[in-house]
Amino acid sequence: EDKVVQSPLSLVVHEGDTVTLNCSYEVTNFRSLLWYKQEKKAPTFLFMLTSSGIEKKSGRLSSILDKKELFSILNITATQTGDSAVYLCAGPAPYNNNDMRFGAGTRLTVKP
Amino acid sequence: DTEVTQTPKHLVMGMTNKKSLKCEQHMGHRAMYWYKQKAKKPPELMFVYSYEKLSINESVPSRFSPECPNSSLLNLHLHALQPEDSALYLCASSQVNSGNTIYFGEGSWLTVV
Repeated sequence: EDKVVQSPLSLVVHEGDTVTLNCSYEVTNFRSLLWYKQEKKAPTFLFMLTSSGIEKKSGRLSSILDKKELFSILNITATQTGDSAVYLCAGPAPYNNNDMRFGAGTRLTVKP
Repeated sequence: DTEVTQTPKHLVMGMTNKKSLKCEQHMGHRAMYWYKQKAKKPPELMFVYSYEKLSINESVPSRFSPECPNSSLLNLHLHALQPEDSALYLCASSQVNSGNTIYFGEGSWLTVV
């Protein structure tokens, strides 16, 4: 069965720290992997990764994909309290182009 | 404009009520989705519509009935729900091609009493 596994499940850091969130996947017909940030409402899109080794960057957030080892990381540098959220990783299911399988998420808490 | 609009934002309903959740997008997306999310869990796919036709039904109980009246609108009709159906219901949309970004609405918080 296809899986998207995230680690750690929760993480507590202090402002200014750098964090790395992990996502491994076992999707058999990989097309892309997506990262979302979810606070109290709906997930908001961060990155879509399709090619191995190419870093995507947005401000203090960056992400990279390793298609050979089947994982992705999301880095957040100089963390702020506003980065506190659940970070979700998702990959399309192989049997249908329009399904997306989410990992359980990493709950990040950034303390002042 | 990457906006998916859901109404109502909050809904409390009894187990004998009939209600509907509504979703609208004007991004020209031809795939629309309903997800259910319980507290501290990731979103779980319920239904997918592609070109206004139901393409995926993830074994959802018949007390949930989706409807896609046109390419911009998606409804979820609710009838005879159970308290365990209380959750955040998320609507989303995307282009139909594989691996496209899915954009979520802010969700409808449903409480069944």
